[in-house]
Amino acid sequence: GAGVSQSPRYKVAKRGQDVALRCDPISGHVSLFWYQQALGQGPEFLTYFQNEAQLDKSGLPSDRFFAERPEGSVSTLKIQRTQQEDSAVYLCASSQASGRHDEQFFGPGTRLTVL
Amino acid sequence: AQSVTQLGSHVSVSEGALVLLRCNYSSSVPPYLFWYVQYPNQGLQLLLKYTSAATLVKGINGFEAEFKKSETSFHLTKPSAHMSDAAEYFCAVSENYGQNFVFGPGTRLSVLP
Repeated sequence: GAGVSQSPRYKVAKRGQDVALRCDPISGHVSLFWYQQALGQGPEFLTYFQNEAQLDKSGLPSDRFFAERPEGSVSTLKIQRTQQEDSAVYLCASSQASGRHDEQFFGPGTRLTVL
Repeated sequence: AQSVTQLGSHVSVSEGALVLLRCNYSSSVPPYLFWYVQYPNQGLQLLLKYTSAATLVKGINGFEAEFKKSETSFHLTKPSAHMSDAAEYFCAVSENYGQNFVFGPGTRLSVLP
């Protein structure tokens, strides 16, 4: 497809389980971003990759959150020992160039519900 | 640190009426400013962006926004609302030199028949 895709679209996890969320950016896009969007809120920045390098992970809320992009294309956001406060929509975005002010193209998100 | 405020979490307008969604920002350097729209169960879609060129920016679907440095504002307008405009709208700011992309809390627009 031509856009950013994310899988799964919906994930229900029991508290304490580990989850992995996948993002397929637009082919050739250098930059990749992860955001967390709580219900009724705007997206909040989690982490940023330029190719395979994770240049900023200042938004990751705890060490239970881990993101990788080993080959500079697909990215995975992993959450270990999920907690109820992790329930949110996780958005992935990619942009063509390396500047963070360039247009970001967003995927549909993964809605995570932790019971 | 940069931040964005959007006055009014929910705005209702009648079909055909003017749409005005407010966005104010704070930034220590000249910012890049964006408006995104989010339809239910869909990703965010860029409406328009300000990148220090013309202060009046025209976007898709008849929307436009004006950058006013003196007011630190970037309000979104559309002369005549359409039912299909009902969605969540997010203003975002990005500073130069690789700072974070920061979103406002969003404004939900309802269009009444």
